[in-house]
Amino acid sequence: QKEVEQNSGPLSVPEGAIASLNCTYSDRGSQSFFWYRQYSGKSPELIMFIYSNGDKEDGRFTAQLNKASQYVSLLIRDSQPSDSATYLCAVRYFGNEKLTFGTGTRLTIIP
Amino acid sequence: NAGVMQNPRHLVRRRGQEARLRCSPMKGHSHVYWYRQLPEEGLKFMVYLQKENIIDESGMPKERFSAEFPKEGPSILRIQQVVRGDSAAYFCASSPSGTGNQPQHFGDGTRLSIL
Repeated sequence: QKEVEQNSGPLSVPEGAIASLNCTYSDRGSQSFFWYRQYSGKSPELIMFIYSNGDKEDGRFTAQLNKASQYVSLLIRDSQPSDSATYLCAVRYFGNEKLTFGTGTRLTIIP
Repeated sequence: NAGVMQNPRHLVRRRGQEARLRCSPMKGHSHVYWYRQLPEEGLKFMVYLQKENIIDESGMPKERFSAEFPKEGPSILRIQQVVRGDSAAYFCASSPSGTGNQPQHFGDGTRLSIL
């Protein structure tokens, strides 16, 4: 069973600080990794995706991938109250087009 | 609106009725995926389709659920003889191709409520 694990939170971070969200996955046969943001009652919105080891930066967001340790993380710099949402980690495995999601981490930015 | 379009946004059915959920992929996308999200749970894959073909239905319940993506028109997820446990948000996603590094973009979902 391929699994994706996230700490469900809630994770509370002061406004302006760095929020760090982590995700581990069980299968080394993984290809690409996605972070989605989901506001309550809304649809998942793609934030970033990464498929090579290392860091990938986009504005205030940085995705970090370490395939040897089987984890992927998302850093949010200069956190804003509008970043308060549930963040979903998703993994796509080789030879398989479906996404396997974690249960999400609920992030709250405290003004 | 060039995004993934789902309708209806909300659907209420009584037990035993049929539910039909529709999804039009983003322009230029030919791959459609359906996911279900139960209250307070993560998204679970149901089925992956291309035009006129079901590629992977490993997440579909064996009974009452079916999906199609005809040559013309939207993809349809059909639930027959609905039960209370079918109450969930059903999301459709699309991608331009099936290669692994293409992200999937989600529609706004259909919230299905079973009375």
